[in-house]
Amino acid sequence: SAVISQKPSRDICQRGTSLTIQCQVDSQVTMMFWYRQQPGQSLTLIATANQGSEATYESGFVIDKFPISRPNLTFSTLTVSNMSPEDSSIYLCSVALASSYEQYFGPGTRLTVT
Amino acid sequence: KQEVTQIPAALSVPEGENLVLNCSFTDSAIYNLQWFRQDPGKGLTSLLLIQSSQREQTSGRLNASLDKSSGRSTLYIAASQPGDSATYLCAVRLNSGYALNFGKGTSLLVTP
Repeated sequence: SAVISQKPSRDICQRGTSLTIQCQVDSQVTMMFWYRQQPGQSLTLIATANQGSEATYESGFVIDKFPISRPNLTFSTLTVSNMSPEDSSIYLCSVALASSYEQYFGPGTRLTVT
Repeated sequence: KQEVTQIPAALSVPEGENLVLNCSFTDSAIYNLQWFRQDPGKGLTSLLLIQSSQREQTSGRLNASLDKSSGRSTLYIAASQPGDSATYLCAVRLNSGYALNFGKGTSLLVTP
């Protein structure tokens, strides 16, 4: 398994500002992902964070809005840029083990945009 | 696009009952299926992973089955306890990518 931590656990931000969320894993993993869970909705994959190259974004998500960094195999950041109230969600980091592709999730960052 | 549906959306049972949560998916070309538990305000805890070649997995009081051809999975919880109260999420990974496609979950309440 993998133990994942995220910072911050929650934040309240003003419209138009940006927030950077950090994800730290206790072991080296190849595959790291960022998901969003909007209120009352299921989880949606934002992007796959690739170490040493640009992230791979899912349809409907763009790099300018959600820039992602992956400097090494244990750490990644997701920035939510130019926030609006529609960005209020829980943002979750996850990793997949290469042996089984079982995915593990961090505790999430609860973001409220006012 | 893979659609994942979970039924029921909510369930309330008295302690000690056995129960079944259902998950259906539209694309049978799956790589694996995972069941998660989510407690209010918390992240997801992985409960069981079933590879596409497997029919079921068991962990303690939990048993998950997979019928790929019919696009269905069930999570069986035996002898339910109040501590089992949480939202249970089913997620499917297709052969074609790494993304997990999630259902909206079943909110379970086990009353003492």
